[in-house]
Amino acid sequence: QVQLQESGPGLVKPSETLSLTCTVSGGSISSYYWSWIRQPPGKGLEWIGYIYYSGSTNYNPSLKSRVTISVDTSKNQFSLKLSSVTAADTAVYYCARQMYTAMVNWGQGTMVTVSS
Amino acid sequence: QSALTQPASVSGSPGQSITISCTGTSSDVGGYNYVSWYQQHPGKAPKLMIYEVSNRPSGVSNRFSGSKSGNTASLTISGLQAEDEADYYCSSYTSSSTSVVFGGGTKLTVL
Repeated sequence: QVQLQESGPGLVKPSETLSLTCTVSGGSISSYYWSWIRQPPGKGLEWIGYIYYSGSTNYNPSLKSRVTISVDTSKNQFSLKLSSVTAADTAVYYCARQMYTAMVNWGQGTMVTVSS
Repeated sequence: QSALTQPASVSGSPGQSITISCTGTSSDVGGYNYVSWYQQHPGKAPKLMIYEVSNRPSGVSNRFSGSKSGNTASLTISGLQAEDEADYYCSSYTSSSTSVVFGGGTKLTVL
């Protein structure tokens, strides 16, 4: 069974870049699509974007100008960078394995707070 | 992109059936059979319950079923149990941005 684990700083300063990594175990990253989703405290889910193992990406239009998702197949990892963060980017960030448009497997999530 | 529309809350008694709606447009729910449903308990990651409108992943109880009519998808939970109390989210492919859009979520209370 594929398992995913997010890692990265829990606190990021305003205007800086949020960086998270998702490590995939129990299966190869070299297939399927791999996504990032976030959930602000007390609010709903927001799809951020996905990457295919080959490197092709697709991003949420509302975040596209600030988002970069990359993949490292040698480490079975994929990563998220979100630039110019504000308090509105405070959320639990999840990584997931996406099949067509369904998020089949999810990481446990990591809370990221944007504050000075 | 606009979120799909779900009722904020629904409730039901143990043993009853409830249905949660998810309304979109012809650019998402109505135009494609790529609707998914997720269950999220407090402090936990979401769990996929239904994909491609009506398919259940292995291990998901057959008390959960999905359907679609026009621009509205529905999740039905039969034989309601206390453990079903959770937040439920729908999602769909959207051609307006060739991406994924979520509903606002529905809190299910088991009375």
